[in-house]
Amino acid sequence: DAKTTQPTSMDCAEGRAANLPCNHSTISGNEYVYWYRQIHSQGPQYIIHGLKNNETNEMASLIITEDRKSSTLILPHATLRDTAVYYCIVKRRGGADGLTFGKGTHLIIQP
Amino acid sequence: DVKVTQSSRYLVKRTGEKVFLECVQDMDHENMFWYRQDPGLGLRLIYFSYDVKMKEKGDIPEGYSVSREKKERFSLILESASTNQTSMYLCASSPPPGQGYYEQYFGPGTRLTVT
Repeated sequence: DAKTTQPTSMDCAEGRAANLPCNHSTISGNEYVYWYRQIHSQGPQYIIHGLKNNETNEMASLIITEDRKSSTLILPHATLRDTAVYYCIVKRRGGADGLTFGKGTHLIIQP
Repeated sequence: DVKVTQSSRYLVKRTGEKVFLECVQDMDHENMFWYRQDPGLGLRLIYFSYDVKMKEKGDIPEGYSVSREKKERFSLILESASTNQTSMYLCASSPPPGQGYYEQYFGPGTRLTVT
């Protein structure tokens, strides 16, 4: 699996868009970018994934650069409940092993 | 919505006790997983199962066993609990490889303390 690099922490004002970057410069052609988050004392929550096109669901948008070496998770209107650690993971879609979370980005939404 | 439930949020056991952690999912997922999460070590896979009565070792299976008698239920067993098994235990489920395998849905976790 390709290595990912994320900032350790970020702040965002409530109601604003939160943009969380992830670098994955060694990503392979068959590897997808997955995003999870973990709110304090809860289990991780799947957010979104993508291969090369931008993706959007009810929780977030995922923007992947054309060269696929980096991506940005966008929470369009952050709320206090979005305060969590966000993990960017790169996996080959047909794989069958476990997830490995790095240190992630601790996103703090400020009132 | 997928729901994964775990039998306890908090559990305190004594060294040497046999401990059962239960997990149930309601989405008819083939795959189920047990992880533990520790500060500084992140998430580590203990065991997973891709079908009833099937199991595969993950990265840290020592000291644990599992049971999957029904599709919706996956149990983690600590045969003789030790203090180094104090941790947060997380259960997850997902569809088969190629159909969303890494879109794993996690339970709330069980924080186990072994004294």
